[in-house]
Amino acid sequence: GQNIDQPTEMTATEGAIVQINCTYQTSGFNGLFWYQQHAGEAPTFLSYNVLDGLEEKGRFSSFLSRSKGYSYLLLKELQMKDSASYLCAVWGSYQLTFGKGTKLSVIP
Amino acid sequence: GAGVSQSPSNKVTEKGKDVELRCDPISGHTALYWYRQSLGQGLEFLIYFQGNSAPDKSGLPSDRFSAERTGGSVSTLTIQRTQQEDSAVYLCASSSLAGGKYNEQFFGPGTRLTVL
Repeated sequence: GQNIDQPTEMTATEGAIVQINCTYQTSGFNGLFWYQQHAGEAPTFLSYNVLDGLEEKGRFSSFLSRSKGYSYLLLKELQMKDSASYLCAVWGSYQLTFGKGTKLSVIP
Repeated sequence: GAGVSQSPSNKVTEKGKDVELRCDPISGHTALYWYRQSLGQGLEFLIYFQGNSAPDKSGLPSDRFSAERTGGSVSTLTIQRTQQEDSAVYLCASSSLAGGKYNEQFFGPGTRLTVL
């Protein structure tokens, strides 16, 4: 089976750094994705990790530890437009299993 | 078109009626996925098509749900005898690769289904 856990909600201040954690237990693993989803919109791709370590892309970074079944998404220099849900998803056996998402609220 | 398109964007129906939801994937993408997202919930996998292979239907919640993909392109998700618990946003995604390899999925805007 597949089980993916991430916090339901988080709040952070504009300009700050926030880390969104994701833990997973899955029957297969071929990579971990992070998606951003603004309210009422479709998810959009942020990052992909298949090997352990940190992947950096601008203000966003994603980390993976396969032995611990753990990933995090790091958002730096937060902007108001970063207020959205962030979805952790594991690519297992031919399908992507999503967590329930973390709703991030960025406050002034 | 440049992205995945879905129609209709909104559908309101009465309990017991059948509905059809359509997805046009990105041209050339061989893999197509249907997901359901209920209010406050994560995305729930429904069905997966890859080329001409038999679809993976393991996520369909009941036999009232079915999907087909004609000509390896457009897909239709059909829900028969709709129930109120079927109310959700139905998302379609497509990708260019499959089989456990890096597979970024591009999502359509979704169809919001409301069953009264």
